[in-house]
Amino acid sequence: GQQVMQIPQYQHVQEGEDFTTYCNSSTTLSNIQWYKQRPGGHPVFLIQLVKSGEVKKQKRLTFQFGEAKKNSSLHITATQTTDVGTYFCAGDSTGNQFYFGTGTSLTVIP
Amino acid sequence: NAGVTQTPKFQVLKTGQSMTLQCAQDMNHNSMYWYRQDPGMGLRLIYYSASEGTTDKGEVPNGYNVSRLNKREFSLRLESAAPSQTSVYFCASRGGRGTETQYFGPGTRLLVL
Repeated sequence: GQQVMQIPQYQHVQEGEDFTTYCNSSTTLSNIQWYKQRPGGHPVFLIQLVKSGEVKKQKRLTFQFGEAKKNSSLHITATQTTDVGTYFCAGDSTGNQFYFGTGTSLTVIP
Repeated sequence: NAGVTQTPKFQVLKTGQSMTLQCAQDMNHNSMYWYRQDPGMGLRLIYYSASEGTTDKGEVPNGYNVSRLNKREFSLRLESAAPSQTSVYFCASRGGRGTETQYFGPGTRLLVL
C-alpha cells in the first residue's frame, strides 16, 4: 500500500537556526498537505501543495513539492520557540484518503 | 461555531468492553474522518465518510465500525476493545474533494487495560 516516509524523526535546534523536514511517498501524489501539532494538541492545517515543483511561503516557512510529485519539504528560517511542535506531511493520491508521514518533532532551544 | 467536537476526552476500558467515540462538526462539511495516533507512527486513517450515507475503510479498519448518523455526526465503535487499541483518536472533517483543509477535533485518549 501507499507509504509516506518523513525524516528526521527528531530535530533539536538553537533558536535562530534553520530547520528542514522531508517527506517522501512511494507513489505519485495528487496533492500534499502539511500540518503542525503542538504537544498535547491536535493537528492544525498549514498548507496544501498541488502542482509539480510548486513552492509556497508563509512568513518564515517555505514549502516545496517535488517535480515528480513524490516528495516535499518544509523549511523554517530562523526558528523561534513558538515553532516547537511536530510537523506532519499528508499525501493524497485518491482524492479523499490521506496518508500521514510519521512526523518530525522540532525542539527549539532558547 | 465549535468546529469539530469529540466525546469523551479520556476513557479507560477493560479488554473486551465496548464503547462508541462520538464526533460532530458544525461546518456543514461533506467528508469526515477517524484517525488514530500512536507514538512514532503518525496518524493512520481508520475509516472515512466522503458524504452522508457513505463510509469506507482506511488504512487500519480492523476492530472498528463507524456510523455516519447524519451530515454532522460520525461515530467510531469498538465492539471488543483490545490493548492494541490504546491510542489517541482524532476525528476530522473537510468540505469535500478539492477543498483543502482538514479540521481536527481535540482527540480522545483511550487506554485499554
